[in-house]
Amino acid sequence: SQQGEEDPQALSIQEGENATMNCSYKTSINNLQWYRQNSGRGLVHLILIRSNEREKHSGRLRVTLDTSKKSSSLLITASRAADTASYFCALTGGGNKLTFGTGTQLKVEL
Amino acid sequence: EPEVTQTPSHQVTQMGQEVILRCVPISNHLYFYWYRQILGQKVEFLVSFYNNEISEKSEIFDDQFSVERPDGSNFTLKIRSTKLEDSAMYFCASTTETGRAKNIQYFGAGTRLSVL
Repeated sequence: SQQGEEDPQALSIQEGENATMNCSYKTSINNLQWYRQNSGRGLVHLILIRSNEREKHSGRLRVTLDTSKKSSSLLITASRAADTASYFCALTGGGNKLTFGTGTQLKVEL
Repeated sequence: EPEVTQTPSHQVTQMGQEVILRCVPISNHLYFYWYRQILGQKVEFLVSFYNNEISEKSEIFDDQFSVERPDGSNFTLKIRSTKLEDSAMYFCASTTETGRAKNIQYFGAGTRLSVL
């Protein structure tokens, strides 16, 4: 299955610290995206990395992709309480649907 | 900023009843999707829709489900005879383009469906 598996399932850090979440998958992909979901809300797109890219930055976000290891990581630097949310990787393969991972619940404490 | 709008935010229904979940995608988008998320589980793809027809659907999207774009703005998901296990958050998404390089989908806030 193409499904991504995130780890850790839950992560609790102090404000100002960095948060790293990982996503592993099993099949080939066209691109990999990260989405954020605040509790009970919709999904917000954060960043997309193509299969031929290795690293991408957007503000305090840094995403890496290692297609040989079939894994990606999302780094949030200098975290804030407002970053508290669930983070999902989403894969796109041959079709257009997104296949979501199981998610990492991030809690940033003051 | 344009956004995907979903109504209602919460729908309560009795088992066996029909429900219609409504979505207004972003106006210049061409591809539309429905996903669902059972409480505590991952987001699952249901169906994609382009050029007035289903382009892809999952195993979840059986004969009880249908989608429609009745006019130029709305995109609906109908469940004909709801079951308890249909209780979930349903998300609509849209995108303006697809392909290898780009598939950023914009999601609505979701409709929570509770089947009693």
